[in-house]
Amino acid sequence: DTEVTQTPKHLVMGMTNKKSLKCEQHMGHRAMYWYKQKAKKPPELMFVYSYEKLSINESVPSRFSPECPNSSLLNLHLHALQPEDSALYLCASSQERRVGANEKLFFGSGTQLSVL
Amino acid sequence: RKEVEQDPGPFNVPEGATVAFNCTYSNSASQSFFWYRQDCRKEPKLLMSVYSSGNEDGRFTAQLNRASQYISLLIRDSKLSDSATYLCVVSQTGASGGSYIPTFGRGTSLIVHP
Repeated sequence: DTEVTQTPKHLVMGMTNKKSLKCEQHMGHRAMYWYKQKAKKPPELMFVYSYEKLSINESVPSRFSPECPNSSLLNLHLHALQPEDSALYLCASSQERRVGANEKLFFGSGTQLSVL
Repeated sequence: RKEVEQDPGPFNVPEGATVAFNCTYSNSASQSFFWYRQDCRKEPKLLMSVYSSGNEDGRFTAQLNRASQYISLLIRDSKLSDSATYLCVVSQTGASGGSYIPTFGRGTSLIVHP
């Protein structure tokens, strides 16, 4: 069983809706990640938070807005999405992010998002 | 940031076979290396870290060759339950050097049949 919890597991939304994806971990990890995965493709990194600060934004469109309220929680706010944004959204955490550290990613089970 | 390359397969092998996957990376500054397993419609799960000295976990052996910039995964005595996609992950530092980015290969599909 994963120790990273994501909700909801499935989400269907229209292009004018606003929704949020939530992720929670209680392993004391200080780095949290959002990945997007399309069918038969590898996960693509979207955002990384390190010690609750956004450290990496992989040129993600502004219709995706991440938020890290505290070290255990990570949200992804969605607004005015397009059908091509339909994908599996994965949250992950790792202990901490230091150069050369042997960081292992722990993934949540993901949110399957469909944009109509 | 450079790419991580894997043969997508599928590798279709009988139970009991030995199968090997390779993954190449192009950024020589890469720091950490891992193999993950992903079942259909599930999240990736860490299989093992990869070290230059090689490491073994039961039927699984991983090896890193820094000079040639590739990592490998060997699975001995394949089981039906080994059927999955195997993803290599290479972490490389960004331009500032202060953070690293875990980058996934496209994954190699393994199908073990009776």
